[in-house]
Amino acid sequence: SAVISQKPSRDICQRGTSLTIQCQVDSQVTMMFWYRQQPGQSLTLIATANQGSEATYESGFVIDKFPISRPNLTFSTLTVSNMSPEDSSIYLCSVSLGNQPQHFGDGTRLSIL
Amino acid sequence: QQPVQSPQAVILREGEDAVINCSSSKALYSVHWYRQKHGEAPVFLMILLKGGEQKGHDKISASFNEKKQQSSLYLTASQLSYSGTYFCGTEPGGSNYKLTFGKGTLLTVNP
Repeated sequence: SAVISQKPSRDICQRGTSLTIQCQVDSQVTMMFWYRQQPGQSLTLIATANQGSEATYESGFVIDKFPISRPNLTFSTLTVSNMSPEDSSIYLCSVSLGNQPQHFGDGTRLSIL
Repeated sequence: QQPVQSPQAVILREGEDAVINCSSSKALYSVHWYRQKHGEAPVFLMILLKGGEQKGHDKISASFNEKKQQSSLYLTASQLSYSGTYFCGTEPGGSNYKLTFGKGTLLTVNP
């Protein structure tokens, strides 16, 4: 399966600031997704990152808060904007080749002070 | 809509068996099973497509009952390495590749 690199692996940020998380894959993939996992909770899909077009957001998530880029088939970024303590979570990217299983990156552990 | 997993938690002794269930109120195209160890990323175990198939991987197998929209994960002769949280992810009929995950089942295997 593809090797997925996520950066940073963890960060501590001040409220009101923004952080951009990168997801790099070692091969071209069709689908890239961004998830949030709050401590001890399940995985919640934030959005599907579409190559060359605007991301598709799930209910409860908006572009102004979580802008996403996907300039090519191996790279995507998720920005968490104007952060508050409620944004403290693990953010994960996953990739798949359409009808193939999703594989996850190691995640970014984000704490907001 | 989030699938319902049961049980929420289970504790086993090494060598014992366990079954984890995943139910959906919606028609499904596929069910995906993952295991996540503490502090690590979820790891893919297996995928089941509609059609009621059953799959196996070492001593872990799963089934998908399309009529009931229910999948079960079977862990046989559990090993210490099986410990972790198991999530099912469901893909709705129509196959849009997006998964909705259940709340997870915490499996603890003790010596």
